[in-house]
Amino acid sequence: EPEVTQTPSHQVTQMGQEVILRCVPISNHLYFYWYRQILGQKVEFLVSFYNNEISEKSEIFDDQFSVERPDGSNFTLKIRSTKLEDSAMYFCASSDTGSDQPQHFGDGTRLSIL
Amino acid sequence: QQQVKQSPQSLIVQKGGISIINCAYENTAFDYFPWYQQFPGKGPALLIAIRPDVSEKKEGRFTISFNKSAKQFSLHIMDSQPGDSATYFCAASTRQWDKVIFGPGTSLSVIP
Repeated sequence: EPEVTQTPSHQVTQMGQEVILRCVPISNHLYFYWYRQILGQKVEFLVSFYNNEISEKSEIFDDQFSVERPDGSNFTLKIRSTKLEDSAMYFCASSDTGSDQPQHFGDGTRLSIL
Repeated sequence: QQQVKQSPQSLIVQKGGISIINCAYENTAFDYFPWYQQFPGKGPALLIAIRPDVSEKKEGRFTISFNKSAKQFSLHIMDSQPGDSATYFCAASTRQWDKVIFGPGTSLSVIP
């Protein structure tokens, strides 16, 4: 079964540094998403992306965050200047169009800010 | 109004028993209600989903019951097994490709 693949599985970064989280969505999917999950808390929506542009973003997704689809297969989340509170699991998801197409999630990148 | 409420926070069930998780929502624009299962170190995986025009959906041991007038829905896991031990999230979205609003999760432990 096709999978959403995320790299790296764990990223450790100094506060203030830039970090890029990478995702390879399922190949024929057209909608892409980033979510985050702070330890012990619920999964929160960050941003959705369709047709090479952001379709919706949450209050969490401020100017420090950006997303990009640099080629036909990758989807990235960049955090420009990381803060301690950015420490979380970050999940990428993708979905196809059509009425019976749910979002498929990757296994996440654990981001630890020191 | 975007919130999805979920209870209980944690649940311990004996093997072979029935696990029941309840959820509620406010936003009547929600049109798709998935349940996700998450094992430690893994991402959420879709378990079963329902639309509000259906009152019940069953897939194997997993059943969703939906009460549109009460804006409540629940997951029943019949014949619960130790392998079902995971965190379960109810969720909602206005369309399947729209953002998913997750409940806070229920940690289920099925003991032998």
